[in-house]
Parts: sequence; structure tokens; C-alpha cells
Amino acid sequence: GAGVSQTPSNKVTEKGKYVELRCDPISGHTALYWYRQSLGQGPEFLIYFQGTGAADDSGLPNDRFFAVRPEGSVSTLKIQRTERGDSAVYLCASSPTGGYQETQYFGPGTRLLVL
Amino acid sequence: GQSLEQPSEVTAVEGAIVQINCTYQTSGFYGLSWYQQHDGGAPTFLSYNALDGLEETGRFSSFLSRSDSYGYLLLQELQMKDSASYFCALNDYKLSFGAGTTVTVRA
Repeated sequence: GAGVSQTPSNKVTEKGKYVELRCDPISGHTALYWYRQSLGQGPEFLIYFQGTGAADDSGLPNDRFFAVRPEGSVSTLKIQRTERGDSAVYLCASSPTGGYQETQYFGPGTRLLVL
Repeated sequence: GQSLEQPSEVTAVEGAIVQINCTYQTSGFYGLSWYQQHDGGAPTFLSYNALDGLEETGRFSSFLSRSDSYGYLLLQELQMKDSASYFCALNDYKLSFGAGTTVTVRA
């Protein structure tokens, strides 16, 4: 079946602009995660959804970052007033039920560049 | 919080064996995972240890010792396609990743 997909694959924006990044998880997966990966680093957790609700948003760096998953499938990560430091690869992952030991399946990421 | 340390780079020749060590500090976790990431690609799952000991999956094996806060990934019969970054990660419904080890396989 189809894996996790993310759009756009690349996004270039100017400092101060608003961006939306989309994630389509594997069909039927109730758990969805957003991570951010800076160059030369491992992915860093941002937020975890169980169904439609954000079960853990402790990784969101500040209130410019927000994410939704209104119907329990597709999720959108929203960044307001972008800053150059937001430039990174934003990865989405999903797992069947969010169990502690489940494998997470990652999408290819959205490469965000803030000029 | 969680922290993990792994070597930044490893180079080896085709057919060799490479061991990537991972030491960690954590207040609690369910297991240790390993992911592979090729340049520009998605991280893909390789192996998972919930309990102490060795898990073998084809050419890849992973080991965990909770008492030593230590694990490793063993790559055997290295192939050129194994050139990638490898990450250890602590499982606690979310993943906490190390900085990654870049493995370069030479002919």
C-alpha cells in the first residue's frame, strides 16, 4: 500500500511569511507524529496526534507552530511569522495505534527554507 | 529528558562488519530502535530491542544492555547501498533520536 506522503517536497519562503505543510499518513493509522530535522542532526519530536487530538505537543518550539488533524487522517503543520531558524526538514510519521513499541513509518519530508 | 550519543562517522570497505555504538541517558523508555536514512530520504526502520540481548534481522543485528545504558547496531557483509546515516532512538511512543552516524562504504 501507499506509504506516508508529504507535500510540498520543498518550500522556499521569506522571513515573516506563513506556511502550511501537509502529511498524509498510511491509511488506517491512528497515530501521527511530526518531527523536525536540522542538517547533521537526528529528527526532533514536535507533536503527536492520536486520532484527531494532539496527545502531546511538548516539542513545538513556540506558539508560532501549530498543527491540526481534523478528521483523524491528514495533518497540517502551520508555521506563522517564519524565521530563518525554522529552516529544516519537517518529517511526518505514522504508526498503527501509537503503541509504545510500534514501528513508525516516515514520509520523505518537506524541506523548508526561510530566506 | 533523554540524550543519546553515537559516533559521527564510520568508514569501512565492502564485505566488512561495522558496529555502531549508542549510549544513552533517560528517565525511562520502552526500547531502543535503529533507523537508516539515505541522503534526502525518509528514515526507515531497521531494528528494535525491547529486552536486553541481540536481535538479528538478516545482515543487521542490534543489541541492548539496559544495565549499561548501551546498545549497538551491527552491519555485516557491508554493501555499497549501506552507505547512509544510522540513528539510534529511544522509544516512548515518541522517538528521541541520536545525532546519527554516517557510514561510508568504500569499494
